[in-house]
Amino acid sequence: DAGVTQSPTHLIKTRGQHVTLRCSPISGHKSVSWYQQVLGQGPQFIFQYYEKEERGRGNFPDRFSARQFPNYSSELNVNALLLGDSALYLCASSLDPQGLETQYFGPGTRLLVL
Amino acid sequence: SQKIEQNSEALNIQEGKTATLTCNYTNYSPAYLQWYRQDPGRGPVFLLLIRENEKEKRKERLKVTFDTTLKQSLFHITASQPADSATYLCAIYNQGGKLIFGQGTELSVKP
Repeated sequence: DAGVTQSPTHLIKTRGQHVTLRCSPISGHKSVSWYQQVLGQGPQFIFQYYEKEERGRGNFPDRFSARQFPNYSSELNVNALLLGDSALYLCASSLDPQGLETQYFGPGTRLLVL
Repeated sequence: SQKIEQNSEALNIQEGKTATLTCNYTNYSPAYLQWYRQDPGRGPVFLLLIRENEKEKRKERLKVTFDTTLKQSLFHITASQPADSATYLCAIYNQGGKLIFGQGTELSVKP
């Protein structure tokens, strides 16, 4: 079975631009969570979606938004990019509606903002 | 303030020894705690979950303890191997749908 997939793998943007990151969960998983991981730190929770509804939101500005589609794939959008948005963006899927039990992570999208 | 902290310094041990990693938290009352492994450039991989009513959990060479009085979890790898070298992350559930991660501890096992 395919694991969690994310696209693109790498991305370079300039300040002020916007970016869309994509995630496909493991087949049968309806919960998708997004995390930001800055070098040397642990992943920081951004959003969790289940059945297309937002179930949790971390301490990120409104420039960050996400959505989940009927096939349970998800997009993370970041507007007005700042240098500090450079990070590894991880998507994780789970069977649990709250996304709290075993989370299966994708390989991440590495975003560099210049 | 709420914190979840792991050994900030890398842990270097000899092959065959037991590695012990620490995770401490403050101002949380987690129902359970998880440990993940992360290799460079990869996403974290789930290893173990331990609930608040469990004192200890084992999986092959891995052992996790959870002391809700001390607000601490210990993660042990026995008979460590160079292939165990990675960053290990602990994570707890914070009410509100958030999984909160520590900063991770880098483990290096030398042959």
